[in-house]
Amino acid sequence: GAVVSQHPSRVICKSGTSVKIECRSLDFQATTMFWYRQFPKQSLMLMATSNEGSKATYEQGVEKDKFLINHASLTLSTLTVTSAHPEDSSFYICSARDGSTLGAQYFGPGTRLTVL
Amino acid sequence: AQSVTQLDSQVPVFEEAPVELRCNYSSSVSVYLFWYVQYPNQGLQLLLKYLSGSTLVKGINGFEAEFNKSQTSFHLRKPSVHISDTAEYFCAGLPGGSEKLVFGKGTKLTVNP
Repeated sequence: GAVVSQHPSRVICKSGTSVKIECRSLDFQATTMFWYRQFPKQSLMLMATSNEGSKATYEQGVEKDKFLINHASLTLSTLTVTSAHPEDSSFYICSARDGSTLGAQYFGPGTRLTVL
Repeated sequence: AQSVTQLDSQVPVFEEAPVELRCNYSSSVSVYLFWYVQYPNQGLQLLLKYLSGSTLVKGINGFEAEFNKSQTSFHLRKPSVHISDTAEYFCAGLPGGSEKLVFGKGTKLTVNP
């Protein structure tokens, strides 16, 4: 149980284009989903917290107009990187909380974004 | 400040040797603690969690961790490691009243033959 999927696993795009990454909880309802960014050999950096049906809450320093987050249902959240630039190249990981007060976060397998 | 500290950035060990990965937390983090493992180019997998109750927590893949309130530690241990345990390990805490995990910087465990 507690499986989270991400799609795509890898994406290469040209500078200036937009890329959408999907995060799905496969066997549980996720009231809250989280989006992280991870630079090589570093820990995870929380970008935003997403609650179903409401606007995402972004961490300080994260551009909300660049990283659009939509949490349309209890099993799906999307991250759209708009007008991507090479510095947006990174490993993006989502996680989902199962709604329990004591619940851990379950992580997706990550998406490697490369912007040329 | 709320923080989780992993004291070792890299831990090399030989196969079948015991290993301990250290994690200390600030008292404001406390309450709920987790260990995650990350294999190359993959997401994080939950190894184990401490929420309450017994201070010795057993997880998957033969790992266990002990919650020590007096030392504000939550060290991860395995009595005999395998080559396949080579990975990055993250300790994380969940401050009371928050839903945001606070991560340590990670420890790279390398198991050598």
